[in-house]
Amino acid sequence: QVQLVESGGGLVKPGGSLRLSCAASGFTFSDYYMSWIRQAPGKGLEWVSYISSSGSTIYYADSVKGRFTISRDNAKNSLYLQMNSLRAEDTAVYYCARDLPTIDYWGQGTLVTVSS
Amino acid sequence: EIVMTQSPATLSVSPGERATLSCRASQSVSSNLAWYQQKPGQAPRLLIYGASTRATGIPARFSGSGSGTEFTLTISSLQSEDFAVYYCQQYNNWPRGLTFGGGTKVEIK
Repeated sequence: QVQLVESGGGLVKPGGSLRLSCAASGFTFSDYYMSWIRQAPGKGLEWVSYISSSGSTIYYADSVKGRFTISRDNAKNSLYLQMNSLRAEDTAVYYCARDLPTIDYWGQGTLVTVSS
Repeated sequence: EIVMTQSPATLSVSPGERATLSCRASQSVSSNLAWYQQKPGQAPRLLIYGASTRATGIPARFSGSGSGTEFTLTISSLQSEDFAVYYCQQYNNWPRGLTFGGGTKVEIK
């Protein structure tokens, strides 16, 4: 069955960096577009970034452009999100998502907390 | 950016009753609209895509309608497991961005 498992979340100080990973299994990862979507505590869903199946096309939300970098390694069935210059408003659960463009599979999420 | 507005923010419904949730787009998204259900501590689950097509395994009591800027999710007879938060999402300008509505919480009356 399809599984998406995020890791790498944690507590980081403002201005710091963190790298999230998502391990995919149960499907041919290299055939699918992927996205990161986040949810601040008690708030709604916010799309963060998209990457095409080959990794050649990438988009970001304006709120993270220039600070976050999405990437993938199809040989390792893995998706990544490098987050730099983190701000308090980046505090959220980050979900790895299979993008169709509807999201048919989500990971369980990893919590990123940005606080001094 | 296309803004998605959901109403009401909270809907109080008794089990067995019908629930009607609304979603409005700031500009036309054609039928490129999806609905998700999210329960506390869980990731969202896809219910509806293409404005009216149920995703795999979704019960027939869930139905979606609308096109352009006005959309509705109807739950015909609420079951205990349906009390949750529901989000609409447009994908008309995918992959340049997906936008979600603010959510409607369906609670027990």
